Amino acid sequence: GQNIDQPTEMTATEGAIVQINCTYQTSGFNGLFWYQQHAGEAPTFLSYNVLDGLEEKGRFSSFLSRSKGYSYLLLKELQMKDSASYLCAAMDSNYQLIWGAGTKLIIKP
Amino acid sequence: IAGITQAPTSQILAAGRRMTLRCTQDMRHNAMYWYRQDLGLGLRLIHYSNTAGTTGKGEVPDGYSVSRANTDDFPLTLASAVPSQTSVYFCASSEGVGTSGGGQFFGPGTRLTVL
Repeated sequence: GQNIDQPTEMTATEGAIVQINCTYQTSGFNGLFWYQQHAGEAPTFLSYNVLDGLEEKGRFSSFLSRSKGYSYLLLKELQMKDSASYLCAAMDSNYQLIWGAGTKLIIKP
Repeated sequence: IAGITQAPTSQILAAGRRMTLRCTQDMRHNAMYWYRQDLGLGLRLIHYSNTAGTTGKGEVPDGYSVSRANTDDFPLTLASAVPSQTSVYFCASSEGVGTSGGGQFFGPGTRLTVL
């Protein structure tokens, strides 16, 4: 079956760095997405990886290892506004997104 | 408008009633999607449309129907609502199927409660 695993909740301190991990099992693979979702709002696109390695975009970076079925989202210089849920999604062979349940990130001052 | 709009924002519905959730995008995206989001679960795909005039079933299609008469609109209909359909519904769009780099863009969601 198809499955995405990510931690339910994480806590970090303002100004620090946090890494949110995601493992996936899908029928075929066409890329790995990360989305941010603030409470009561819609998910918004953060990053996309299809090749192994690290993609950096400002304070956010995303890593992919296809052989391990593993990705992580790295958030640097955490700000209070980064408090949100972070959704991992893998695109399967039918180009459909399989979603994880999301990681709720709590930022403390 | 810019992006995706959904209507209504929220709705309380009696079980057994028919309900249509509306979704309109102005980005000329070919592909559109309907998801439901429930606490503790990932987004689950209900139906999708790769291009105007075509639709397909997602992971949880039972009790829902869709149509795609044109590029912009993708309504979701609950023929006879049941309490298990209480959820937050998100409409999304993407440039095309497999246009992976751009991701999917989401509407603001409709919060539906079926009593």
